[in-house]
Amino acid sequence: LAKTTQPISMDSYEGQEVNITCSHNNIATNDYITWYQQFPSQGPRFIIQGYKTKVTNEVASLFIPADRKSSTLSLPRVSLSDTAVYYCLVGDRSTPLVFGKGTRLSVIA
Amino acid sequence: ETGVTQSPTHLIKTRGQQVTLRCSSQSGHNTVSWYQQALGQGPQFIFQYYREEENGRGNFPPRFSGLQFPNYSSELNVNALELDDSALYLCASSLRDRISQGNIQYFGAGTRLSVL
Repeated sequence: LAKTTQPISMDSYEGQEVNITCSHNNIATNDYITWYQQFPSQGPRFIIQGYKTKVTNEVASLFIPADRKSSTLSLPRVSLSDTAVYYCLVGDRSTPLVFGKGTRLSVIA
Repeated sequence: ETGVTQSPTHLIKTRGQQVTLRCSSQSGHNTVSWYQQALGQGPQFIFQYYREEENGRGNFPPRFSGLQFPNYSSELNVNALELDDSALYLCASSLRDRISQGNIQYFGAGTRLSVL
């Protein structure tokens, strides 16, 4: 299973754009890159998934370079409610989700 | 709102007891996975059920067992509870079919188990 590496924590002010980068050097050809958000005492919530290039939805954008060895989750204009832990995962449709410790994002007023 | 519901929300047991946790999948989903999340850690994969059969297991002992029913709801059973079993237990459902590609799972809010 491909392992991911991401920063332990990040701080940001309200209204700023936040970019969280994830490294996945051993990603396999069939693997997708998926990001989840988790608030305390709640289950992780799916944010976005991509395979290559760029994906955008109403919540975030996901940038994936051509070699797919890393990816960047971009959160536009964060608010206090975006304070959470963000997990980057890689795998195909049959792979169990393997969570690391994630990135703890703190948004400051 | 993911459509995945878990019960109970909180539970207190004593060491050596047995516990059953329940999960109702999102409508139309045929796969359910269970995770254990200790404080400050990411969720750890316990096992997955696809169409009522166990389809993958993480590094958990046999006293962790499960079931998936014809309506795709699921149970997690833990026997001989230990203090280290205290954690948030998460259930996630997903749809696996011919066209699904990435493994997107939808999580419930979890059951907080405390073993005293």
